[in-house]
Amino acid sequence: SQQGEEDPQALSIQEGENATMNCSYKTSINNLQWYRQNSGRGLVHLILIRSNEREKHSGRLRVTLDTSKKSSSLLITASRAADTASYFCATDAGNTDKLIFGTGTRLQVFP
Amino acid sequence: KAGVTQTPRYLIKTRGQQVTLSCSPISGHRSVSWYQQTPGQGLQFLFEYFSETQRNKGNFPGRFSGRQFSNSRSEMNVSTLELGDSALYLCASSLQPLPGAYGYTFGSGTRLTVV
Repeated sequence: SQQGEEDPQALSIQEGENATMNCSYKTSINNLQWYRQNSGRGLVHLILIRSNEREKHSGRLRVTLDTSKKSSSLLITASRAADTASYFCATDAGNTDKLIFGTGTRLQVFP
Repeated sequence: KAGVTQTPRYLIKTRGQQVTLSCSPISGHRSVSWYQQTPGQGLQFLFEYFSETQRNKGNFPGRFSGRQFSNSRSEMNVSTLELGDSALYLCASSLQPLPGAYGYTFGSGTRLTVV
């Protein structure tokens, strides 16, 4: 079962534009993580935000977390063709101590 | 430092056979998790091991099993393979298990095809 659902499922933009992906989850969490996956490869950890944090930055990435709405967003600024990948949010599903992944957003950045 | 190593990278098996996949975590990481990824179901949690103990298990049939050795290396086994077991199997390691605030480091996966 999926804990998180990403929106949109797919996103196409031009290089230089910003890309925003949203994640909604169902249960209370301790932290939320974002991962990137290039086609058919392993996932790469991008950023982790704790439940008591509202915003976090890492390079061109900005993550926000709204625990009252059970949602998070990932913003990639000044997108590059190399950012083309699938992006997943993942949460520890309540008190189960399992890292559960969302359905993912497929991002295509055109040069 | 070396990343998470999964072997083999590709595997083709026949229905009814069994298969064993291997995962060597990052040195010092004692938590290992396994995921199955398919186009239809996405990333599904299989199980997690920490210090040779299975801490969590996903909703998979008993044909799926795993273990972790004293050096933190892990194996997963699938018996009586079915066509639906065709997937990318991903292993991830972490310093500590959840709810610790550590990201997971993933291997490149094993692509299993059942014919």
